[in-house]
Amino acid sequence: DTGVSQDPRHKITKRGQNVTFRCDPISEHNRLYWYRQTLGQGPEFLTYFQNEAQLEKSRLLSDRFSAERPKGSFSTLEIQRTEQGDSAMYLCASRARWEQFFGPGTRLTVL
Amino acid sequence: ELKVEQNPLFLSMQEGKNYTIYCNYSTTSDRLYWYRQDPGKSLESLFVLLSNGAVKQEGRLMASLDTKARLSTLHITAAVHDLSATYFCAVDSNYQLIWGAGTKLIIKP
Repeated sequence: DTGVSQDPRHKITKRGQNVTFRCDPISEHNRLYWYRQTLGQGPEFLTYFQNEAQLEKSRLLSDRFSAERPKGSFSTLEIQRTEQGDSAMYLCASRARWEQFFGPGTRLTVL
Repeated sequence: ELKVEQNPLFLSMQEGKNYTIYCNYSTTSDRLYWYRQDPGKSLESLFVLLSNGAVKQEGRLMASLDTKARLSTLHITAAVHDLSATYFCAVDSNYQLIWGAGTKLIIKP
């Protein structure tokens, strides 16, 4: 499969725990995006990488969220001290030129 | 701040009918995207519209872009049940996509 992959697909955690998600983009794509989507809403931009550089981070994003893309390949998104409001689908997308291709998403449930 | 508005937000229609979903956006952009999302699934790219007057068609779906009016349309011809899904438009704003709220389309036999 040469598409965008994400791991895990589902994560259930207790409030206050830390979680980390991984995204593997399409190999030749240098741009990588993280989005969050809640039920009935469109995706909400979280952050963007070009190669290994994190070029933008949403002003709405709490300091509890951090993302990395070491060596410009896969990326991780960590949420510290999770809250129930963090429950959502976390989507990763990669892009070479114009089109963004999305992974299957990680569904996070915070109890 | 760029805003993207879709209408309608919900559409229930009979198979065989035609309908149009509208996507308006608030500032200049030459790139607009349409995506499909099935329940519990990720986003599937349908169309990439890169210039004023762009028109693309795939099966029963046709998308167009008028950058002067800041309007894109997604037209459904002779709808079939398999097209039931939520459809999103998104506008390219530098480094990110700004998304509409989505149109939930239900097509009844």
